[in-house]
Amino acid sequence: DGGITQSPKYLFRKEGQNVTLSCEQNLNHDAMYWYRQDPGQGLRLIYYSQIVNDFQKGDIAEGYSVSREKKESFPLTVTSAQKNPTAFYLCASSRSGTGKGQETQYFGPGTRLLVL
Amino acid sequence: QKEVEQNSGPLSVPEGAIASLNCTYSDRGSQSFFWYRQYSGKSPELIMFIYSNGDKEDGRFTAQLNKASQYVSLLIRDSQPSDSATYLCAVTSGTYKYIFGTGTRLKVLA
Repeated sequence: DGGITQSPKYLFRKEGQNVTLSCEQNLNHDAMYWYRQDPGQGLRLIYYSQIVNDFQKGDIAEGYSVSREKKESFPLTVTSAQKNPTAFYLCASSRSGTGKGQETQYFGPGTRLLVL
Repeated sequence: QKEVEQNSGPLSVPEGAIASLNCTYSDRGSQSFFWYRQYSGKSPELIMFIYSNGDKEDGRFTAQLNKASQYVSLLIRDSQPSDSATYLCAVTSGTYKYIFGTGTRLKVLA
């Protein structure tokens, strides 16, 4: 079964703590993305990666970091610098980042991050 | 600032009726247009994409694109209570970056 998995489903962060959200895909997609969704708002892009060992900041990268050491994996770390991390985090992937049809994005099930 | 606008709703329609969801976008260079459905607490799932002006049909869903007027719409025929969800419109200029609308909440009344 091809798809995108995210873990954990729920994550609790204490103040001052860094936490890492996992995203894995077995679709053989080149491009991967991280979005944040807050109630009543659209999805906002945090980071994206079009190829292994390369990634770019999105619109709201401050307080977050990523790595892309493997094609299948794109973990997101929410650092203590992110002062308002409570949100629904969505990972997505696409075959490539460019070209009609290549950029259709498919989403994982999401991780809900809550602050204790 | 490139924008995608959707009426937040809720849009209420009776079961069996046609639901019409609309989306306008500001970037004339936009090339690809997507509709996602998102149930409460779940992630978005792709319903349809459209690239060319006109209509594209898939089962009970029809996407309509009018690039001159910069709008894209989604029609849902024979609406069912299970169609009740938030529908997200996304637009891209052929690159990695999607611009999402805030979504329209649809309620299908049994």
